[in-house]
Amino acid sequence: EAQVTQNPRYLITVTGKKLTVTCSQNMNHEYMSWYRQDPGLGLRQIYYSMNVEVTDKGDVPEGYKVSRKEKRNFPLILESPSPNQTSLYFCASRLQGPNSPLHFGNGTRLTVT
Amino acid sequence: AQSVTQPDIHITVSEGASLELRCNYSYGATPYLFWYVQSPGQGLQLLLKYFSGDTLVQGIKGFEAEFKRSQSSFNLRKPSVHWSDAAEYFCAVPNTGGFKTIFGAGTRLFVKA
Repeated sequence: EAQVTQNPRYLITVTGKKLTVTCSQNMNHEYMSWYRQDPGLGLRQIYYSMNVEVTDKGDVPEGYKVSRKEKRNFPLILESPSPNQTSLYFCASRLQGPNSPLHFGNGTRLTVT
Repeated sequence: AQSVTQPDIHITVSEGASLELRCNYSYGATPYLFWYVQSPGQGLQLLLKYFSGDTLVQGIKGFEAEFKRSQSSFNLRKPSVHWSDAAEYFCAVPNTGGFKTIFGAGTRLFVKA
């Protein structure tokens, strides 16, 4: 089944404790992206990757890192999480080209205390 | 800069009634336009998309949307709403370079029996 898999689904952590949210897709998509969803703000892009070893900042990259060593994986790293990073996170992928729709994972709800 | 506006934060309709969700965009040329739906606890799923040609596009689950260039709108419609349509709906447009998708803030649909 074609899908984007994120783990974990739920995560509670404390300020400053490094964490990684994994994302994997099995559709051979070149493009991958991370979003955060906050009430009233819709989805805001954190980072995106046009292909392996090519990543770039989105609208809200502060406090986040990503890597794209393989086509299928695009982990999101929070080196020192803070409470303002409490949010719902989505990974998405698509084929190259803006006319291709995004395929989303089921989300990771992160709480930083 | 491109932007997407969904004027209604939430809408309540009766089951069986018709539905229209509004979306206005700001874009220099004819854009690619998308509607996504997010059911509780799920990621976003593509409902329909517009690229060119016929301005009335059909999607999944009985939804349709009409592109109106003169009004910079891409409103989503359904003739008869079912309780299972209760969800949050997002209108989206890619930016000029195609490396980012800009989402509206979303409209939450409530369906009453």
